[in-house]
Amino acid sequence: KAGVTQTPRYLIKTRGQQVTLSCSPISGHRSVSWYQQTPGQGLQFLFEYFSETQRNKGNFPGRFSGRQFSNSRSEMNVSTLELGDSALYLCASRWGQGIVHEQFFGPGTRLTVL
Amino acid sequence: TQLLEQSPQFLSIQEGENLTVYCNSSSVFSSLQWYRQEPGEGPVLLVTVVTGGEVKKLKRLTFQFGDARKDSSLHITAAQPGDTGLYLCAGALSNSGYALNFGKGTSLLVTP
Repeated sequence: KAGVTQTPRYLIKTRGQQVTLSCSPISGHRSVSWYQQTPGQGLQFLFEYFSETQRNKGNFPGRFSGRQFSNSRSEMNVSTLELGDSALYLCASRWGQGIVHEQFFGPGTRLTVL
Repeated sequence: TQLLEQSPQFLSIQEGENLTVYCNSSSVFSSLQWYRQEPGEGPVLLVTVVTGGEVKKLKRLTFQFGDARKDSSLHITAAQPGDTGLYLCAGALSNSGYALNFGKGTSLLVTP
């Protein structure tokens, strides 16, 4: 079974631009979560989608948004980029049932904002 | 505020040595996961512990979940260079849906 895939793997943008990142979950997984990883803050939860609905949101500004499609693929958008948005953005998928919270991560998209 | 505190932050040991990494919190978690991450890659799930007091073994790795479900430890026996990486603990609070709270990680370097 293929793992979580994320595209693109690397991205360079300038301040003020916007960016869209894509994530395809493991086949059969209906939940997709997004995390931001930086050296200073570690991994921080952005939001989770399940069956095209946002179920949970972390403490990030409204510039960060996402959506999920009917095939469970998800996109994350960051508008008006700031230097501090430079990070590794990780997508994780989960089957979506049960009490066990284990998630399976993709390789990430490395975003650099200049 | 970091809900999960990991220690030590950095660890450099020689091949064959044993080590323990700790993950502590004042909060109770429904379950706790351990991940290993290599540079430029996403975290890879190693184990999930669910029951207080649970001990799981994965070859040379032993994971323990505290009785009160507030802390966990990872013990590696006879470390090998292939164990090098960033070890992360993560847990979900009962009132936070499926959002994982991560510790900042323990960076392990095992030299031959």
